Amino acid sequence: AQRVTQPEKLLSVFKGAPVELKCNYSYSGSPELFWYVQYSRQRLQLLLRHISRESIKGFTADLNKGETSFHLKKPFAQEEDSAMYYCALNSGSARQLTFGSGTQLTVLP
Amino acid sequence: DSGVTQTPKHLITATGQRVTLRCSPRSGDLSVYWYQQSLDQGLQFLIQYYNGEERAKGNILERFSAQQFPDLHSELNLSSLELGDSALYFCASSEAGYYADEQFFGPGTRLTVL
Repeated sequence: AQRVTQPEKLLSVFKGAPVELKCNYSYSGSPELFWYVQYSRQRLQLLLRHISRESIKGFTADLNKGETSFHLKKPFAQEEDSAMYYCALNSGSARQLTFGSGTQLTVLP
Repeated sequence: DSGVTQTPKHLITATGQRVTLRCSPRSGDLSVYWYQQSLDQGLQFLIQYYNGEERAKGNILERFSAQQFPDLHSELNLSSLELGDSALYFCASSEAGYYADEQFFGPGTRLTVL
């Protein structure tokens, strides 16, 4: 079974500080990993995915298969980054997106 | 709105009743997914349809069923409702239903069972 763990329910950082949102997964094959974000009063939307290896809005995430992690990082947090962040995993065999419980990020001025 | 649409926005009903939630995918998307988001369970995958056919099933109760119509809109039917079914129900769509596809989410339907 595939599982995604986001250990921090709430995370607060000051503007300009680095931020790291943790995500660990359990799956023995080759999963596809995603970060989805939900800003206040907006829809859940894709932030970035492992397969694209992009940097979106200054965020990056590296897949570490040894540690089974896909942490989301940004070197300098902005107030507009305040949102709920969900890590998610999908696999060809399971054919379903499994979400973590989410981390509410608050960037303080 | 060319994005995913869901109706109704809010639904209040009583235990034992049956409701139907509707979802229209983005134009061109063939795959539709349903999710349930509750406070204690988080965001849980229920079921996926691709071009009218069921493709994947998650934690969907037997009291719940879904279908995707020829015009690609989908309906989620919830019957014999219980208090614990109160949740936010999201629909998402993707182009092809490939596991690495980006899923585009609708605004959700908030169901309250009294």
